[in-house]
Amino acid sequence: AQSVTQLDSQVPVFEEAPVELRCNYSSSVSVYLFWYVQYPNQGLQLLLKYLSGSTLVKGINGFEAEFNKSQTSFHLRKPSVHISDTAEYFCAVIGDSNYQLIWGAGTKLIIKP
Amino acid sequence: KAGVTQTPRYLIKTRGQQVTLSCSPISGHRSVSWYQQTPGQGLQFLFEYFSETQRNKGNFPGRFSGRQFSNSRSEMNVSTLELGDSALYLCASFAGTATDTQYFGPGTRLTVL
Repeated sequence: AQSVTQLDSQVPVFEEAPVELRCNYSSSVSVYLFWYVQYPNQGLQLLLKYLSGSTLVKGINGFEAEFNKSQTSFHLRKPSVHISDTAEYFCAVIGDSNYQLIWGAGTKLIIKP
Repeated sequence: KAGVTQTPRYLIKTRGQQVTLSCSPISGHRSVSWYQQTPGQGLQFLFEYFSETQRNKGNFPGRFSGRQFSNSRSEMNVSTLELGDSALYLCASFAGTATDTQYFGPGTRLTVL
């Protein structure tokens, strides 16, 4: 069975500092990996996804993530955060043979001025 | 291109009642997924429809049901509402394969009193 673990429930960081949000997954089959962002009182928006190929994936709003198969990780990074990045970030996995996203518990990114 | 729309946005019901939520996918998308989001359980998959057929179902009781129409619009129904059904219900539309991006609507906030 697939599962996703987001290691931090909250990550406080100063504005313009770099940030890394951690995600580990477990699966016995090939998976596809996603990062979504949820702003307050809104739905989910895709930041980036890994399907195959280059392990470094670039997304919107300056975010990127690196797929590491040996460590079963898909950590999200941004070199310099802004107050507008305040949101909750979700890592998700989907298997090739099904169509349901399995979600991590989410990480709240808190930007300190 | 219009996004995913969900109606109503907010709903207040009492225990024992039933409720129907609606989701209109992005034009051309044939698949709709439903997810429940609560502070305690996070994001959980309810079911997924493709061309009017349910392809996947999550671990929810039979009180939760859904359907998809020929125009790809989908409805989900919850009968005999319980307090624990209070949640944000999100629908997502995508073309139909596991590698497709799932685009989310703003959600319906259901409160059960």
